[in-house]
Amino acid sequence: SQTIHQWPATLVQPVGSPLSLECTVEGTSNPNLYWYRQAAGRGLQLLFYSIGIDQISSEVPQNLSASRPQDRQFILSSKKLLLSDSGFYLCAWSVGGRGGGYTFGAGTRLTVV
Amino acid sequence: DAKTTQPNSMESNEEEPVHLPCNHSTISGTDYIHWYRQLPSQGPEYVIHGLTSNVNNRMASLAIAEDRKSSTLILHRATLRDAAVYYCMYGRDDKIIFGKGTRLHILP
Repeated sequence: SQTIHQWPATLVQPVGSPLSLECTVEGTSNPNLYWYRQAAGRGLQLLFYSIGIDQISSEVPQNLSASRPQDRQFILSSKKLLLSDSGFYLCAWSVGGRGGGYTFGAGTRLTVV
Repeated sequence: DAKTTQPNSMESNEEEPVHLPCNHSTISGTDYIHWYRQLPSQGPEYVIHGLTSNVNNRMASLAIAEDRKSSTLILHRATLRDAAVYYCMYGRDDKIIFGKGTRLHILP
């Protein structure tokens, strides 16, 4: 069966420090991968999505970047965190196609202080 | 963007059916309609999805309007554990854009 792993679960980082959040999927090949962010009390905002290795689309220009070094690995990064980067970050995968369902990871709660 | 419209919040009594509406007037003929729900501090959880025909699974039923411009998620017998934010969306170009969702309150 397919599983998605996301870590760490919580993270407290100072302003200006770098960020690296990792997401891996098991049990499937060539998944579509996604990074979402949810600010406190807000909805889910799509940040990046990827349909293959090194194929990444950015939805919202901001202080973050994403990379997909392997088929089932998706990394969210920042060189210098801002206070506004605080939020709940979620990784998700799907098999692609309009009928494909999405499976979400447990999320990382990032607090920038 | 793939835009949906849902009520901000709804309330229901425990053990009664709940009908959560969603409008998606810009949906195209091949876009599937998806419903997810999110409990506090958790990632969204898949509930159900469909294309044209009504769909049933162990969690809920999905009723899709004939013109596909709206749909309704039906929880047949709400429990306190069903209290969550329910998102209706449809996929386009391999990505799903979430709307603001409906916060469902269940009254004991």
